[in-house]
Amino acid sequence: DAGVIQSPRHEVTEMGQEVTLRCKPISGHNSLFWYRQTMMRGLELLIYFNNNVPIDDSGMPEDRFSAKMPNASFSTLKIQPSEPRDSAVYFCASSKTGYEQFFGPGTRLTVL
Amino acid sequence: DQQVKQNSPSLSVQEGRISILNCDYTNSMFDYFLWYKKYPAEGPTFLISISSIKDKNEDGRFTVFLNKSAKHLSLHIVPSQPGDSAVYFCAANRGNEKLTFGTGTRLTIIP
Repeated sequence: DAGVIQSPRHEVTEMGQEVTLRCKPISGHNSLFWYRQTMMRGLELLIYFNNNVPIDDSGMPEDRFSAKMPNASFSTLKIQPSEPRDSAVYFCASSKTGYEQFFGPGTRLTVL
Repeated sequence: DQQVKQNSPSLSVQEGRISILNCDYTNSMFDYFLWYKKYPAEGPTFLISISSIKDKNEDGRFTVFLNKSAKHLSLHIVPSQPGDSAVYFCAANRGNEKLTFGTGTRLTIIP
């Protein structure tokens, strides 16, 4: 199994630009989670999907953030417009049971 | 409001000794607890878990203890090895829902 795949691994962009992060969950997993890791707040859940449907987006910081899961094998997290305070590592995770989550390698985002 | 807290940002332990990582939580509705381990430039990986109906779970060198009355759990690693050097995250779950993570503890094993 390839595990959770995220792309890109690194993204450097300028303030105001649109950023799109991508995730391919493990085949057969029915839940998908987007997290953000910062030094101050650790790992924060942004949004999670179950069977491609958004269940809880209460962690999404503001309207500049949006996430989609058009099918069981693909999800995107979009930031538009991006700001320097969005700089962080973004992780995607998937699970079959909803308990043990398997994480991707993360996307390190730097907004200048 | 940090519902899961790891009050020690870092810990150094001599190789071969016991490492004890601590975690406190505030939400009494949490019923499942997990520990994840994270190496630099990688995503967290699942290490061990415990249900609230138990007070101990063991897997090789790793043991997790849960004290529900104190809302406290700990991870014991015996004996500690250099490859255990990583950031450890405690996480909690209630029902089949999202995980709430702590801020992590960086463990360094000194050879």
